[in-house]
Amino acid sequence: KAGVTQTPRYLIKTRGQQVTLSCSPISGHRSVSWYQQTPGQGLQFLFEYFSETQRNKGNFPGRFSGRQFSNSRSEMNVSTLELGDSALYLCASSLDWGAAGYTFGSGTRLTVV
Amino acid sequence: QKEVEQDPGPLSVPEGAIVSLNCTYSNSAFQYFMWYRQYSRKGPELLMYTYSSGNKEDGRFTAQVDKSSKYISLFIRDSQPSDSATYLCAMSGAEGAQKLVFGQGTRLTINP
Repeated sequence: KAGVTQTPRYLIKTRGQQVTLSCSPISGHRSVSWYQQTPGQGLQFLFEYFSETQRNKGNFPGRFSGRQFSNSRSEMNVSTLELGDSALYLCASSLDWGAAGYTFGSGTRLTVV
Repeated sequence: QKEVEQDPGPLSVPEGAIVSLNCTYSNSAFQYFMWYRQYSRKGPELLMYTYSSGNKEDGRFTAQVDKSSKYISLFIRDSQPSDSATYLCAMSGAEGAQKLVFGQGTRLTINP
């Protein structure tokens, strides 16, 4: 059974650019969450999607957005990149909304220069 | 003050030792408590999941939750070098097990 797949694994962008990260959940999982991991702040919740609807959002600026497609695949977008956006972005999926047992992907390492 | 506090370590113990990892929290609404293990260059992997107070055991791992003290623990018995990783506690509230709030993570090294 394939795990959560995130692409790309590594990304280098310039300040001011925008970026789109992709996440394919485990087959059958309908809930997808995104987290940002940095050495200083640790893992912080970005947002969660279920049935193509955003169900929860963390305390991040509007530059961070996401969406979920009918096949449960999800993308997150960061516009007008800042140096502080450099982080590991993790996607996690679970069977249902509110269900425990999230499975995380290996993440996308974003470096903003 | 962070909602979830976890000593970042690092913590280094000899192989075979019992390891105790802990987190404290301030939000009394938390009801779901989890422990994740994260190896370098990997995403977190769910180890243990507990709803409300109590103990849960799975092999060499035991998770304890004391909601009255707002304190959770993870014990690792007969620790192995392969247990060397960062351990993260996570918790969430009444809306369900999504929107996890994580501790900073404790970096653990088991020395052969």
